[in-house]
Amino acid sequence: AQTVTQSQPEMSVQEAETVTLSCTYDTSENNYYLFWYKQPPSRQMILVIRQEAYKQQNATENRFSVNFQKAAKSFSLKISDSQLGDTAMYFCAFMERNSNSNSGYALNFGKGTSLLVTP
Amino acid sequence: DSGVTQTPKHLITATGQRVTLRCSPRSGDLSVYWYQQSLDQGLQFLIQYYNGEERAKGNILERFSAQQFPDLHSELNLSSLELGDSALYFCASSVTPTYNEQFFGPGTRLTVL
Repeated sequence: AQTVTQSQPEMSVQEAETVTLSCTYDTSENNYYLFWYKQPPSRQMILVIRQEAYKQQNATENRFSVNFQKAAKSFSLKISDSQLGDTAMYFCAFMERNSNSNSGYALNFGKGTSLLVTP
Repeated sequence: DSGVTQTPKHLITATGQRVTLRCSPRSGDLSVYWYQQSLDQGLQFLIQYYNGEERAKGNILERFSAQQFPDLHSELNLSSLELGDSALYFCASSVTPTYNEQFFGPGTRLTVL
């Protein structure tokens, strides 16, 4: 199975500043999807942004953007103008074809980065 | 609100017991996924169904089983519960079973005493 690595267990940023969360993955596939999910204290999993591997253009959603480096297998998340409501656990996820099936797919998650936004 | 509903929100039970977790996908979504989130294992994929049929299996124990009904809701059955089964169980849904965004429900917190 592909592995997803988030090397920063915890990060802190001041309100209005910019922060970048790192993610690397390992795969032999050429076509795949990558995602960032946010899990606030409520524990709800919220989709933040997604990136298709075949697209060279980095995905952007308002204050959230990614830096997708396919050759380096790197997928970092940049949060601009950080807000107190951005405090959450952030999970990088790789969508892979399930090894126990030839037609099913599943999300493979990293261990997460806990982000604290301070006033 | 993702549109995915899960019941119950919390469940407290004893070792050796059996419980059933229920999930209703977003309107129009045909595929349902179950994930387990625990402190030691992180977020792990358990199983996927598409239009009533099992499509993919992850790290699901033999004591666990699931199904998807004709109305597309899904149930995850956990039996012979152990302390280590205590976790947050998420259901997610998507339109198709392949590359597609998955939308997560609020989860069911299971505590085994």
